[in-house]
Amino acid sequence: NAGVTQTPKFQVLKTGQSMTLQCAQDMNHNSMYWYRQDPGMGLRLIYYSASEGTTDKGEVPNGYNVSRLNKREFSLRLESAAPSQTSVYFCASSDTGVYSPLHFGNGTRLTVT
Amino acid sequence: AQSVAQPEDQVNVAEGNPLTVKCTYSVSGNPYLFWYVQYPNRGLQFLLKYITGDNLVKGSYGFEAEFNKSQTSFHLKKPSALVSDSALYFCAVRDRLAGANNLFFGTGTRLTVIP
Repeated sequence: NAGVTQTPKFQVLKTGQSMTLQCAQDMNHNSMYWYRQDPGMGLRLIYYSASEGTTDKGEVPNGYNVSRLNKREFSLRLESAAPSQTSVYFCASSDTGVYSPLHFGNGTRLTVT
Repeated sequence: AQSVAQPEDQVNVAEGNPLTVKCTYSVSGNPYLFWYVQYPNRGLQFLLKYITGDNLVKGSYGFEAEFNKSQTSFHLKKPSALVSDSALYFCAVRDRLAGANNLFFGTGTRLTVIP
């Protein structure tokens, strides 16, 4: 009963380095999301995928790219990390429908020095 | 534009007492409203939602929330708090007319239940 699995759990990068955050869900959900969580700011949507093969920008997409590899997997890539991208990143998935709740992974804590 | 306000960063309540975590919202149309809870080093977990119908919604772990359209509020409540309820609580809103990506979260309220 894994739900939404994110890897890695922790990561430290130097400014300018790149990395990919991985996310997979086993609930057969169509929609997947990437959020970042910063103190005092709640969760902000980075990118969203309504279904396999589609992606859309959210509130804070600059500096990020995403790939919806298949129905299960949705990755987030930082091409050139910046200290402003230090945050906790959450992947989530949901059924289709605006009233469907989101199911979250346990997060990736990223520090960019 | 959509927005959510959680006016209290921190709420302290004694174990066994009733608790309330406040949320107000702003949307253009009619809202879908959600409450999530986050325990340390974990992702958010869904507690309950309001779609339509009865203004009092019951959810997981004995929590309930009351939708008040005139006050644009959706406060989270529990009749008797447990120490294990201590966590970070988020309110979220989505306008029914907006796309599925338009789910806006509040900044969170940290609930501490004192033994």
